Amino acid sequence: EAGVTQFPSHSVIEKGQTVTLRCDPISGHDNLYWYRRVMGKEIKFLLHFVKESKQDESGMPNNRFLAERTGGTYSTLKVQPAELEDSGVYFCASSQVSFADEQFFGPGTRLTVL
Amino acid sequence: AQSVTQPDIHITVSEGASLELRCNYSYGATPYLFWYVQSPGQGLQLLLKYFSGDTLVQGIKGFEAEFKRSQSSFNLRKPSVHWSDAAEYFCAVAAGGSGGGADGLTFGKGTHLIIQP
Repeated sequence: EAGVTQFPSHSVIEKGQTVTLRCDPISGHDNLYWYRRVMGKEIKFLLHFVKESKQDESGMPNNRFLAERTGGTYSTLKVQPAELEDSGVYFCASSQVSFADEQFFGPGTRLTVL
Repeated sequence: AQSVTQPDIHITVSEGASLELRCNYSYGATPYLFWYVQSPGQGLQLLLKYFSGDTLVQGIKGFEAEFKRSQSSFNLRKPSVHWSDAAEYFCAVAAGGSGGGADGLTFGKGTHLIIQP
């Protein structure tokens, strides 16, 4: 069974540009989460989808970040326009059951904003 | 709001020696606790979790953790480490659902484990 996949693995962009990160969860997992780790800091929760609905987006830093999950399958996280402080590693995770179920993590996308 | 503290940023252990990684949490209700490990280039992998019941939890790869409510701790242990255990280890708490708070996990800053030959 394929795990959680993320694309791209690395992205280097300039300040002001737009970047879109993609996450493909494990097939059949209704719950999808996005997290971010800024260098030297802890991994922080961004938002949670149940199927195509945003269940909790309390961790989204500001309105430059837009997450979607069309059809309840893969998800995208768009940053527009990117700022220097957006650099970090963006993780996606999925689970069958929400809250306290094991979350399976992807390898992450390393975003560098110059 | 809930929080997780991993006081050790780096720990160096000789191969074959025992290991204990510390984790303290702050949360008002009964926590759901996790330990994850991340090897270079990989995603986070769940080692073990505690929800309720026996406070000593067994996980994969020979790891165990003990939940101590009185100390608000959930320390990870392994009796004898192998070179392949070198990785970054994360303690996390889930505080959503009936406990309130965000749905996602709250992580500590992680502990880098270095294995000396």
